[in-house]
Amino acid sequence: GEDVEQSLFLSVREGDSSVINCTYTDSSSTYLYWYKQEPGAGLQLLTYIFSNMDMKQDQRLTVLLNKKDKHLSLRIADTQTGDSAIYFCAESITGGYQKVTFGIGTKLQVIP
Amino acid sequence: DAGVIQSPRHEVTEMGQEVTLRCKPISGHDYLFWYRQTMMRGLELLIYFNNNVPIDDSGMPEDRFSAKMPNASFSTLKIQPSEPRDSAVYFCASSLSGKSSYEQYFGPGTRLTVT
Repeated sequence: GEDVEQSLFLSVREGDSSVINCTYTDSSSTYLYWYKQEPGAGLQLLTYIFSNMDMKQDQRLTVLLNKKDKHLSLRIADTQTGDSAIYFCAESITGGYQKVTFGIGTKLQVIP
Repeated sequence: DAGVIQSPRHEVTEMGQEVTLRCKPISGHDYLFWYRQTMMRGLELLIYFNNNVPIDDSGMPEDRFSAKMPNASFSTLKIQPSEPRDSAVYFCASSLSGKSSYEQYFGPGTRLTVT
């Protein structure tokens, strides 16, 4: 079945890099996503990676995928206070693209 | 586009009352999703529609919950009767098939408190 796990909390200092980790169980995952939720708002897609890729970079964001270990990470370089939010890892599986399974979310706290 | 619109933003009701949450998806999107978010369980998919037809309602907690999509621009999630354990933030999201990323666009949510 589908299951996505991530740690609940991460605290970093402003200017440092943040790394948020996630593991998933479904080997037929096709797309893996990182969504961001700011206080009082809905989720917003940050980035995604197709399962045949192992890395994707987008400005300050780097996504690494280890398909063998079913491990996904999101690295935020030069973390800013505006990056403080909850980050959700998510997956969609082959044949069920529109149904996305979300992790519980990692709350990132950036200390000035 | 205004994005996904949800109403009300906040709802406080007493146990036993009927609650109706409303959603207007992004124009042209053919998928609509209802999620519930709580501290304990995170984000749970309740039900989703494709072209106004319910596809998967396996996440709906029990018969007290029902969802409808009478047309492409409107959906409701109803709880009758409501219970304190239904207190949560309910999100509606929509997406467009055929796009490679399958991005879901979320509304701002409705915070429901049942006392």
